[in-house]
Amino acid sequence: SQTIHQWPATLVQPVGSPLSLECTVEGTSNPNLYWYRQAAGRGLQLLFYSIGIDQISSEVPQNLSASRPQDRQFILSSKKLLLSDSGFYLCAWSEWTGAHTDTQYFGPGTRLTVL
Amino acid sequence: EDQVTQSPEALRLQEGESSSLNCSYTVSGLRGLFWYRQDPGKGPEFLFTLYSAGEEKEKERLKATLTKKESFLHITAPKPEDSATYLCAVQASGSGYNKLIFGAGTRLAVHP
Repeated sequence: SQTIHQWPATLVQPVGSPLSLECTVEGTSNPNLYWYRQAAGRGLQLLFYSIGIDQISSEVPQNLSASRPQDRQFILSSKKLLLSDSGFYLCAWSEWTGAHTDTQYFGPGTRLTVL
Repeated sequence: EDQVTQSPEALRLQEGESSSLNCSYTVSGLRGLFWYRQDPGKGPEFLFTLYSAGEEKEKERLKATLTKKESFLHITAPKPEDSATYLCAVQASGSGYNKLIFGAGTRLAVHP
């Protein structure tokens, strides 16, 4: 069966510091990978998605970036964090099944607090 | 613009008191509507996918239905362990990939 991991689980960082969040998926090959941010009381916002290694698209312009160095590894980064970057970051994966849509499965999330 | 609205924002039920959560959507062609359950501090857990109006799916005390403009998540005889935030999301046919547009969710609290 497939599993998805995220770390760290929680992170407190000062404004202006760098960021690196990691997501890995096990039990599948060539998954589609996604990064979402969830702000309090709001819906999930898609930040990045990737259909393969080095194939990454950005949904929202911001000071965040994403990389996919390996097939099942997805990294979210920032060079300088802003207060507005605080939130709950979720990684998700999906598998192309040939149907007209595919289900996204979420990881446990990383709670980021920028002070 | 594609949009998803969930109501109510919060719902408090007594154990055994059945009710429904609503998800209204406006999209340029629906590819799929998804329901997720999210416990505090955790990632969303997939519940259902609905593809076309008239479709229904059930899982234990939960039943999801779909019309051309909205979806309902019916909870029959809920238990305290059903307390969670329920998220609705849609995939629009206009998107070139599997982009999900989420509603803000309904926080459900079931009291014994």
